[in-house]
Amino acid sequence: DAKTTQPPSMDCAEGRAANLPCNHSTISGNEYVYWYRQIHSQGPQYIIHGLKNNETNEMASLIITEDRKSSTLILPHATLRDTAVYYCIVRGPNFGNEKLTFGTGTRLTIIP
Amino acid sequence: DADVTQTPRNRITKTGKRIMLECSQTKGHDRMYWYRQDPGLGLRLIYYSFDVKDINKGEISDGYSVSRQAQAKFSLSLESAIPNQTALYFCATSDAHSAEIYEQYFGPGTRLTVT
Repeated sequence: DAKTTQPPSMDCAEGRAANLPCNHSTISGNEYVYWYRQIHSQGPQYIIHGLKNNETNEMASLIITEDRKSSTLILPHATLRDTAVYYCIVRGPNFGNEKLTFGTGTRLTIIP
Repeated sequence: DADVTQTPRNRITKTGKRIMLECSQTKGHDRMYWYRQDPGLGLRLIYYSFDVKDINKGEISDGYSVSRQAQAKFSLSLESAIPNQTALYFCATSDAHSAEIYEQYFGPGTRLTVT
């Protein structure tokens, strides 16, 4: 599985867009980019995933570069409840290996 | 109501005791998972189940056992609890019919302390 690199921490003002980057330069052609977050010891929460096209859902947008070596998770109007650790995970459709590997992630703090 | 529930939410037990953590889901998913989280170590997979007749060991199954009583229920047992099993335990589910199996849905967690 491709490794990911994320900044350890970021701040964002409440109401502004939070842009969280992730580098995955060794990503393979069939590997997806997944984003999860964990709010203070709660269960990790699935946010969004994508393969090559940009994706948007009710929570966030995912922008994947054309070469797929990096991506950005965008929370369009951050609120205090978005303060959490955000994890970028790259996985292929390998049904023999179910493990989700959470790295250290980015600790996002929303500033009032 | 939550889609994935775990009981108990907190538990303190003594070394050597047997303890069971329970997980129920209403998402209708076939796949269920048990993870543990230790500070600074991320989540580690203990066991997972594809359906009621299929149980698989994860990366840290020693000292644990599981039971898949029904599609909606997956229990984790510590046969003889030891202090280094003190951790936050999460149950998760995913849809076996989707190739994107890493879209997993987690329960709220059980904080277990073994004294």
